[in-house]
Parts: sequence; structure tokens; C-alpha cells
Amino acid sequence: GDSVTQMEGPVTLSEEAFLTINCTYTATGYPSLFWYVQYPGEGLQLLLKATKADDKGSNKGFEATYRKETTSFHLEKGSVQVSDSAVYFCALSDWDYGGSQGNLIFGKGTKLSVKP
Amino acid sequence: DADVTQTPRNRITKTGKRIMLECSQTKGHDRMYWYRQDPGLGLRLIYYSFDVKDINKGEISDGYSVSRQAQAKFSLSLESAIPNQTALYFCATSDLGGGNVLTFGAGSRLTVL
Repeated sequence: GDSVTQMEGPVTLSEEAFLTINCTYTATGYPSLFWYVQYPGEGLQLLLKATKADDKGSNKGFEATYRKETTSFHLEKGSVQVSDSAVYFCALSDWDYGGSQGNLIFGKGTKLSVKP
Repeated sequence: DADVTQTPRNRITKTGKRIMLECSQTKGHDRMYWYRQDPGLGLRLIYYSFDVKDINKGEISDGYSVSRQAQAKFSLSLESAIPNQTALYFCATSDLGGGNVLTFGAGSRLTVL
């Protein structure tokens, strides 16, 4: 079945460091890919998404490119801030050949801590 | 007010007790979901509903039941709580045409002693 694998955390970085959180997926159809972020004490919220191969999602300085050839959707940010400390979830939802979209499947999450 | 409101936010109960977690939304979305979050396991889908007359089991529905009382309300019940149901529970909503962009509530932390 479909699945998402993301790098295990926690990840600790200094402010202004470069961030990469790896995410790879397995899907049988044509998945849409997502990054959700969970700030302390809050629910998840959408960070960015991409719906087809080679699309780049971006938001708040974060970027991720849908790479079908490597089945990856790695999250990157050039210069992290303390306020980026959160848990990041990679997710997919698959489209079947009949045109129906399945529910979201989440990775296990990666906790990021950014130190001043 | 929040778009998706969960009550209670925190609850401590004992094994064998019946517990209901409630969710209401002002987004006008048709689809509602209940997820469970455990450390190191990510989010797992318990139940989902695409409209008032449509209820579907998710990945881990055993030990849980749901009720969709109205388009805006979706409740999760634990008929007889057990300690391994201790977790953070999230309600979420999405629009039919929203491409699976979910709006989450702030979560309900349940502890079963």
C-alpha cells in the first residue's frame, strides 16, 4: 500500500542554518504531496503542497519539489529561525485510475528545534 | 473563534469509562475526520465522514465509534476506555474540492489511567 517515510528526528539547528528534511513515498496512483507543520500545542496546518511531478511548493521560505523519478518530496529552507521550531509531517494522498482521491497518509513526523 | 473547535482539550479518565470527544466546525466543509497522534507514530486515521449520512472506518477504528450529528458536528466515542487509548486526538475538516487540504482542530489530549 501507499506509504510515506521521512527522516527521523529530532533535528537541532542553529539559527540561519540550512534545513533539509527528507521524505520519500510509495504510491500506486498519482499522488499529491504535502508538508504539514505542527507548532507546540497546536494542530497541524498545511505548509505547502504539490500536485504533480516537477511541481514546486513553497511557503514562508520553505520549498519542496515533487520528484517522481526518486519518489521524493524533501523539505528545504535556506535560513531557519527560532520560530520554525515545530514538528513537520510529510503526507500524500493518492488518486486512483478512476479519478477518486484517497485520504491523507502521514509520515511519522520530524521534530525541528532551532537554537538562537 | 477557531474554525475547528474540539472539546474537551484535556481529559483524564479511568479504564472502563465512556468518553466522548466533540468537534464542531465553522468552515462549512463536508468532510470531517478523527485522527490519533502518538509519539513516533505520526497521525493515524480513526474514522472519517464525507457527509452526514456517510461514515467510514479508518486505519485504527477498533475500540472507537463516531456520530455525525450535523454537517458541522462530528463526535468520537470510546465506549470503554483502555490505557493504550491514551493519546492526542485531532479532528480535521476538508472541502470536497479542496484537494485534501485539511483544517485541524487544536487537539484533545486524553489520558486513560
